Amino acid sequence: DAGVIQSPRHEVTEMGQEVTLRCKPISGHNSLFWYRQTMMRGLELLIYFNNNVPIDDSGMPEDRFSAKMPNASFSTLKIQPSEPRDSAVYFCASSNLDRGEDTQYFGPGTRLTVL
Amino acid sequence: GENVEQHPSTLSVQEGDSAVIKCTYSDSASNYFPWYKQELGKGPQLIIDIRSNVGEKKDQRIAVTLNKTAKHFSLHITETQPEDSAVYFCAACRVSTLTFGKGTMLLVSP
Repeated sequence: DAGVIQSPRHEVTEMGQEVTLRCKPISGHNSLFWYRQTMMRGLELLIYFNNNVPIDDSGMPEDRFSAKMPNASFSTLKIQPSEPRDSAVYFCASSNLDRGEDTQYFGPGTRLTVL
Repeated sequence: GENVEQHPSTLSVQEGDSAVIKCTYSDSASNYFPWYKQELGKGPQLIIDIRSNVGEKKDQRIAVTLNKTAKHFSLHITETQPEDSAVYFCAACRVSTLTFGKGTMLLVSP
């Protein structure tokens, strides 16, 4: 299996621009998680989906952030407009909760820099 | 919500020594405790995990212990090697949601 795939791996943008991060979960996994990692706050859960439905978005920082999962093999995290404080590494992870498997497998991450 | 404390933040050992990383959690409803290793520029990789109905689990040089009463769990690495150098994260899982500790940077010197 190819594992969780994220794109792009690196993104540099200017403040005010829209940023879209993409994730393809492991085939057969039904749950998908978006995390943000910073030195100050560590790894934080932003949102997670189960069977393409958002279950918990309490970690989404504000309305500038939105996430979608149109099908079982693709999800996006969008920031509009972006701000310098959004600079972080964003990880996507997937698991198979319907089989009672809590183990989450992480992608390689997207390093976002907002100038 | 859940709160996970992890110590130490950095740990330096000589090759061949043992390393121990400790975590505490606050929510007694948490029932799954994975440990992840993160190398520079990569995503966290699961190295071992334990569920609340088990007190100890071992996989070659790595072992994890869990004390549900005290709400703490620990990672033990024996016979450390330079390639063990990385940041290690503990996590506690409740209702499918992971809460991570702040991480421990392990440095193994040859």
